[in-house]
Amino acid sequence: EDQVTQSPEALRLQEGESSSLNCSYTVSGLRGLFWYRQDPGKGPEFLFTLYSAGEEKEKERLKATLTKKESFLHITAPKPEDSATYLCAVQAHGGATNKLIFGTGTLLAVQP
Amino acid sequence: NAGVTQTPKFQVLKTGQSMTLQCAQDMNHNSMYWYRQDPGMGLRLIYYSASEGTTDKGEVPNGYNVSRLNKREFSLRLESAAPSQTSVYFCASSDRLDSSYEQYFGPGTRLTVT
Repeated sequence: EDQVTQSPEALRLQEGESSSLNCSYTVSGLRGLFWYRQDPGKGPEFLFTLYSAGEEKEKERLKATLTKKESFLHITAPKPEDSATYLCAVQAHGGATNKLIFGTGTLLAVQP
Repeated sequence: NAGVTQTPKFQVLKTGQSMTLQCAQDMNHNSMYWYRQDPGMGLRLIYYSASEGTTDKGEVPNGYNVSRLNKREFSLRLESAAPSQTSVYFCASSDRLDSSYEQYFGPGTRLTVT
């Protein structure tokens, strides 16, 4: 069964303290892995798509990487405005749909 | 360019009442989706529409119906609301169904069924 597990569930950092969020996945064949950011009371906001192992993408203080079993979202020198829930989702090959399987997210709090 | 819009933002229903959640997108996307988000469960797909005129069940379709009114609009109907349908509902859209195009989400509707 296709599955996505994110860890940790919650993470508290001091401003400037770099860290990584983990997304482990089990899928029959990976078509794409997606990272989203979700602020309280808002809808998920698209960040990155990764397609194959070894791929990396960056946006400001965020860098996403992908291996055959997991993805990491690295946050370098975070600021309080990076506080949010970060969601990971995978899409499998073979399906007729663009169905995304979501993890439950990591709640990140960055304190000034 | 508003992206994906949803109405209403909040709704309280009594058990057995019905309502329709509205969604519209202005990105000329072909595919649209309805999800629900519950604590500890992640986002789960209720129904999706590959293109105008087609709809299909997702992971948790029971108790819901959908209508793809035109290319822009995709509505979700609860015929007889139950407390188990208390959740946050998100509409999303993407360019195509059969590829790994990212989905764009609306702001959500927070529904409470008492």
